[in-house]
Amino acid sequence: GNSVTQMEGPVTLSEEAFLTINCTYTATGYPSLFWYVQYPGEGLQLLLKATKADDKGSNKGFEATYRKETTSFHLEKGSVQVSDSAVYFCALSFVSGGYNKLIFGAGTRLAVHP
Amino acid sequence: AAGVIQSPRHLIKEKRETATLKCYPIPRHDTVYWYQQGPGQDPQFLISFYEKMQSDKGSIPDRFSAQQFSDYHSELNMSSLELGDSALYFCASSSNRASSSGANVLTFGAGSRLTVL
Repeated sequence: GNSVTQMEGPVTLSEEAFLTINCTYTATGYPSLFWYVQYPGEGLQLLLKATKADDKGSNKGFEATYRKETTSFHLEKGSVQVSDSAVYFCALSFVSGGYNKLIFGAGTRLAVHP
Repeated sequence: AAGVIQSPRHLIKEKRETATLKCYPIPRHDTVYWYQQGPGQDPQFLISFYEKMQSDKGSIPDRFSAQQFSDYHSELNMSSLELGDSALYFCASSSNRASSSGANVLTFGAGSRLTVL
């Protein structure tokens, strides 16, 4: 079946540190991959997406590349800020029964300290 | 731009009571999804509707039901509430017609927080 596995959190970093949050997936067919972010007390916001192999999604300094050979979609940022503190969800979208379906990884909490 | 609107934002109920959550999708979006997020958990898919018909069903308890109306808004009805139903309930919408490859983006509402006492 289809599934998403993320590295466990929390991830604690100092401001301006480099961030990597690992995400791997299992899927049949050709899924699309997403990163959603959930800030404290808020809903889920789309951070970036990639719809095919070797695509790179990017937004707000975050990047992730769809790697079919390693079935991965790791999230990276070169220099994190305190305001990046949130929970990050890797997600996979696929077609099931003619409809699009989205499933999430367990989420990784990021805490950035000044 | 208009987003997905959910109401109420917060709801407190007693055990065995009923609750109804409402979701108003982005205009021209034809598909609505409901997710449940327990404390410290990832969102779990409950159910979805496309053009007012149920399109997929996930881990929705039998005590819950949902529907999508002619104006595309959706309601999630929860009966015989249990303590374990306390969670954040997200609604999301998308345009299923926009993509047949799974690449359509779900836009989420801010969520409705249900607390069962």
